[in-house]
Amino acid sequence: GNSVTQMEGPVTLSEEAFLTINCTYTATGYPSLFWYVQYPGEGLQLLLKATKADDKGSNKGFEATYRKETTSFHLEKGSVQVSDSAVYFCALTPEWGAQKLVFGQGTRLTINP
Amino acid sequence: KAGVTQTPRYLIKTRGQQVTLSCSPISGHRSVSWYQQTPGQGLQFLFEYFSETQRNKGNFPGRFSGRQFSNSRSEMNVSTLELGDSALYLCASRRDGGMNTEAFFGQGTRLTVV
Repeated sequence: GNSVTQMEGPVTLSEEAFLTINCTYTATGYPSLFWYVQYPGEGLQLLLKATKADDKGSNKGFEATYRKETTSFHLEKGSVQVSDSAVYFCALTPEWGAQKLVFGQGTRLTINP
Repeated sequence: KAGVTQTPRYLIKTRGQQVTLSCSPISGHRSVSWYQQTPGQGLQFLFEYFSETQRNKGNFPGRFSGRQFSNSRSEMNVSTLELGDSALYLCASRRDGGMNTEAFFGQGTRLTVV
């Protein structure tokens, strides 16, 4: 079946540090891949997406590249800010079958000033 | 434009009761999906409605049901509540049912069963 695995959290970094949150997936065909962010007390917001192999999604300084050969979609940011503190979810929608989001377990990120 | 609106934001219910949660999607969006978020299980798909028809269903017992109205507003119902139903219930709306279509989430309804 379809599944998403994220690196375990929580992750704590200092402001301006480099961020990587690993995400790998299992799915047949070519799923669409997403990163969502959840701020305290809020729902989920789409951060970025990629819909085909080698696509790079980017937004607010965050980037992730759809790697079919390694079934990965790692999230990166060159210089994090305190305001980036949140929970990050990697997710996919399958190419076939039910058009639902399949989420990873989430990674809590805390940025210290 | 207005986002996805979920009501109520918070609910406290007793075991055995039933509850109805409401979701108003973004205007023009025809797809509404529901997800359950718990610390132990993470985010799990409940069901999706598109043009008043349930199109997909997750692996939840029959106590969980839903419907969608002609104006695309959706409700989900949980009957015979159990302690384990305590969770944040999130609704997501999409313009259509395509796999690449962005899902917009509401702030959720936090249900506590005591």
